[in-house]
Amino acid sequence: DAGVTQSPTHLIKTRGQQVTLRCSPKSGHDTVSWYQQALGQGPQFIFQYYEEEERQRGNFPDRFSGHQFPNYSSELNVNALWLGDSALYLCASSSRDLYNEQFFGPGTRLTVL
Amino acid sequence: AQSVTQLGSHVSVSEGALVLLRCNYSSSVPPYLFWYVQYPNQGLQLLLKYTSAATLVKGINGFEAEFKKSETSFHLTKPSAHMSDAAEYFCAVRANTGGFKTIFGAGTRLFVKA
Repeated sequence: DAGVTQSPTHLIKTRGQQVTLRCSPKSGHDTVSWYQQALGQGPQFIFQYYEEEERQRGNFPDRFSGHQFPNYSSELNVNALWLGDSALYLCASSSRDLYNEQFFGPGTRLTVL
Repeated sequence: AQSVTQLGSHVSVSEGALVLLRCNYSSSVPPYLFWYVQYPNQGLQLLLKYTSAATLVKGINGFEAEFKKSETSFHLTKPSAHMSDAAEYFCAVRANTGGFKTIFGAGTRLFVKA
C-alpha cells in the first residue's frame, strides 16, 4: 500500500500565477481533505471532498478550488498566487466512517516569489 | 466551533526524562481529539486519538494522553524521552457530528538533550 501520495514535492511560482497540486488517497479511502501549513504554524483546513463534491470548506477565498475524480484522487487549484500562499500543502485521506483517522501525505512545498 | 491551544511553542527535556506537552481545546459539541507528530520535511503521523471511549488513550512510541472534560484538556505524555522523539507535535480537534474538518493547534517543538 503506497499510502497517500502527493505531487509535485516542491514547486516555485511567481505572484499572479496559477498552480495545481495533486493527491492520490490511500487505497480504500474515498474522502480527501486539503490543508495549508504556513511555516511555523499548524495545518489549516481548506476543504474536503467526497463523492466528487466539496462537502466542507474552511476560511479560504474562492481563489482556492478543488476537484475530486471518480478514482477518488484530488486536485487543489490556487489562482492569482500571492506571497502569502507560500506554504506546505497537505492532503489527507480517509474513509467516510468518522471513527477512522485521516492519513496525511508528505505534502507539496509551494514557494511564491 | 472548535479551537485548540497548545501551551508552549518549545519544550526541552533531557533524554530519559518525562515528556509533557499541553493541549486545551474548545468545542461546542463532543469532540474527537488527536495528537500528531511531524518530522522535518514530512507529513503528519497520528500518535493517538480520543473518540469518546476510554479517557486514557495509549498511542504509538510509548505516548499516551488523558481526556479531561472538566479541564477541557488532552495533554500528551511519555515517561521517558528518547532522542528520536525530537519533532513537532500538534494537538487537533474535530467535531463528532460530521465531516473531517480538523482544527490544529500551533504546534509544540520538542527538543531532547543528550
